[in-house]
Amino acid sequence: LAKTTQPISMDSYEGQEVNITCSHNNIATNDYITWYQQFPSQGPRFIIQGYKTKVTNEVASLFIPADRKSSTLSLPRVSLSDTAVYYCLVGDGRYSTLTFGKGTMLLVSP
Amino acid sequence: SQTIHQWPATLVQPVGSPLSLECTVEGTSNPNLYWYRQAAGRGLQLLFYSVGIGQISSEVPQNLSASRPQDRQFILSSKKLLLSDSGFYLCAWTVGRGNNSPLHFGNGTRLTVT
Repeated sequence: LAKTTQPISMDSYEGQEVNITCSHNNIATNDYITWYQQFPSQGPRFIIQGYKTKVTNEVASLFIPADRKSSTLSLPRVSLSDTAVYYCLVGDGRYSTLTFGKGTMLLVSP
Repeated sequence: SQTIHQWPATLVQPVGSPLSLECTVEGTSNPNLYWYRQAAGRGLQLLFYSVGIGQISSEVPQNLSASRPQDRQFILSSKKLLLSDSGFYLCAWTVGRGNNSPLHFGNGTRLTVT
């Protein structure tokens, strides 16, 4: 079971790029890395998923080094509406790997 | 497109009363279904998951139970609520089994046990 470690909180300003790093030293060969965003009183929302190297979609990029022991979620030019909790989840889809940590609380200020 | 519905959105119940939360998924067949709980200021805790009708697995022993009477219906129940059952309950689904399909969550039920 790959345990993840994320910063508890991060602060940023509108228009800046934000990088949130997740450490997962015990990641297994079959594990994928998935990031979710959660606003207060809502369920988490899928942002991006990757296995290795770099993945990019319309809202974020995910950077994964060759050893896969960490990953970085990159949010370009954040806005106030990006203030949320971001969770890193590492697993192979088995139920035992679907436990979330406390996530990173990102606060974006004007 | 697939959608997931949870109700009620909020619920206030006295200690010792029963509980029934319902979740339904539309637009997909044979989903894997999950119940999570999020206590104030904490992460999400997986409570139950189901890979099919009548098939329930529990991650955390407690006074809650789950049932799946239909393919796309998942119910969370309790016979007697405790104060510690207060929290934000989320239903989620994934496609397939062990294929890294992302979790898709409902909007949750805020339960307050008084």
